[in-house]
Amino acid sequence: ETGVTQTPRHLVMGMTNKKSLKCEQHLGHNAMYWYKQSAKKPLELMFVYNFKEQTENNSVPSRFSPECPNSSHLFLHLHTLQPEDSALYLCASSQAGTGSTDTQYFGPGTRLTVL
Amino acid sequence: AQSVTQLGSHVSVSEGALVLLRCNYSSSVPPYLFWYVQYPNQGLQLLLKYTSAATLVKGINGFEAEFKKSETSFHLTKPSAHMSDAAEYFCAVSDPNNNDMRFGAGTRLTVKP
Repeated sequence: ETGVTQTPRHLVMGMTNKKSLKCEQHLGHNAMYWYKQSAKKPLELMFVYNFKEQTENNSVPSRFSPECPNSSHLFLHLHTLQPEDSALYLCASSQAGTGSTDTQYFGPGTRLTVL
Repeated sequence: AQSVTQLGSHVSVSEGALVLLRCNYSSSVPPYLFWYVQYPNQGLQLLLKYTSAATLVKGINGFEAEFKKSETSFHLTKPSAHMSDAAEYFCAVSDPNNNDMRFGAGTRLTVKP
């Protein structure tokens, strides 16, 4: 699926580093999402943005900081992470901001390893 | 709050055999239900979705799923497995009134030649 791109695809960082994940959607959607995918655990919704406004934060630790400068771009800023934060971080987008009939389109993910 | 349970973290079938991946949901409101597939090193791709219309939903790649309210199930089936079907499959449920989609833990499908 090339409609949603994520960079970098792989990231290794130390616990004291600061890094950012980037997501860009080329589908003209109004809602964007960050998910965390850990091994053998259900996909966890982290943040939801509708029309650039954050509408959901699922009790995510403050060491994860999202930013949505416009409807096409979404960032996840990382600082002082823990090894248990190592996971695949997936970005998704959908057409409308409310109502869950809209299909979410996913990017390929960023594989994050925290040392 | 809604949730889904996928029975069996790993399913193995022979090529040409029936594929059955099980999903049971819990929801306080009439749910919307989804099946996604994830191939290695890729994001999730929608296979099909149920949004309160026909209970038998047909998706891409020959997959279909049937919504059974009495059994709170939304099992995914395909009559004949192909090698290319090997992937991880996720069932998801959402409340039609918000963006909150909950995913199951996933079922890895292996197809043997």
